[in-house]
Amino acid sequence: LAKTTQPISMDSYEGQEVNITCSHNNIATNDYITWYQQFPSQGPRFIIQGYKTKVTNEVASLFIPADRKSSTLSLPRVSLSDTAVYYCLVVSISGGSYIPTFGRGTSLIVHP
Amino acid sequence: EADIYQTPRYLVIGTGKKITLECSQTMGHDKMYWYQQDPGMELHLIHYSYGVNSTEKGDLSSESTVSRIRTEHFPLTLESARPSHTSQYLCASSERGIGYSPLHFGNGTRLTVT
Repeated sequence: LAKTTQPISMDSYEGQEVNITCSHNNIATNDYITWYQQFPSQGPRFIIQGYKTKVTNEVASLFIPADRKSSTLSLPRVSLSDTAVYYCLVVSISGGSYIPTFGRGTSLIVHP
Repeated sequence: EADIYQTPRYLVIGTGKKITLECSQTMGHDKMYWYQQDPGMELHLIHYSYGVNSTEKGDLSSESTVSRIRTEHFPLTLESARPSHTSQYLCASSERGIGYSPLHFGNGTRLTVT
């Protein structure tokens, strides 16, 4: 299973762009990279996923370099409501089973 | 918005009691999962199911059991609750098929065993 490494915490201010990088050195050829957001006392919510290059939706962008050993979630112009924990997942298929595995996540605090 | 429901939202119960945490989804998803999460910590997969009558244990050993008699329902049971079971339990589902589809989570059950 591909293991991910993210910063434990980040701080930002309203209106700034936030970039959270995730390392996944042993990502396999068929693995996808997926990001989730979790607010306190709630379940995680899917934000974005990608395989390579750049993916953008109405919430965020995901940048994946050619070697796919890392990925960067970019949140444009954050607000206080973006304060949450962000999880990077590498979705692996192991031995015929499908195991979505979460790491510690990055706790983002947005200040006024 | 995903339709996956967990009840109860909060549960405080004494040691030795039998409890069942309910999870239901109305999306017709084949795959369902139970995760356990302590405050400030990562989510650990404890059970998953790929369809009716299919259940598997996850990467974190758990004394709980699950059943999948109906597609939409995936309850988790603790036969005898202990303080070490105090945690948040999150249920999730995803679509069938080859490859990956995003997980849809419920809001969880926060269990406290006294």
